[in-house]
Amino acid sequence: GDSVTQMEGPVTLSEEAFLTINCTYTATGYPSLFWYVQYPGEGLQLLLKATKADDKGSNKGFEATYRKETTSFHLEKGSVQVSDSAVYFCALKVGTSYGKLTFGQGTILTVHP
Amino acid sequence: GAGVSQSPSNKVTEKGKDVELRCDPISGHTALYWYRQSLGQGLEFLIYFQGNSAPDKSGLPSDRFSAERTGGSVSTLTIQRTQQEDSAVYLCASSFGLAARQETQYFGPGTRLLVL
Repeated sequence: GDSVTQMEGPVTLSEEAFLTINCTYTATGYPSLFWYVQYPGEGLQLLLKATKADDKGSNKGFEATYRKETTSFHLEKGSVQVSDSAVYFCALKVGTSYGKLTFGQGTILTVHP
Repeated sequence: GAGVSQSPSNKVTEKGKDVELRCDPISGHTALYWYRQSLGQGLEFLIYFQGNSAPDKSGLPSDRFSAERTGGSVSTLTIQRTQQEDSAVYLCASSFGLAARQETQYFGPGTRLLVL
């Protein structure tokens, strides 16, 4: 079946540090890939997405590149801020006729001033 | 426009009681999804509706769980004879459709269910 594996957290960084959250997947078909973020006390929000191999999704300084050869979609940011503290979820969706999102377990990020 | 709304925001019930959770999707969205977020299981897919097609119920954990979507808009998730393991945050999401340019799912704030 489909599955997503994220690096285990929690991740604690100082402000302006470089962030990488690893995400790898297995899929029964050709997936679209997503990163969702959940800020404290808020609902899930789409952060970025990529729908085909070698696509790079980007938003708010975050980037992730769809690597088919390594089945990965690692999230990166060059300089994190305190306001980036949240839970990050990697997810996939297979095909255009099937709506289910399969999520990773989530990675808690805490950024200290 | 308004986002996805869910009610109630919190629900406390006794084991064995039935509960109904409501979701109002974004206007114009044809696809509606239910997920469950719990400490032990993470984010799990439960069910989704797409237009007039038969819903995909493959994620429902037991026959105590059911959902309907009336008039292609509002959806209700019903849990019968609740058990303590049903305690979780139930999330609803909607999207324009399923194709690549329409597939982004927008999530509601969730209903936090506690079964005593």
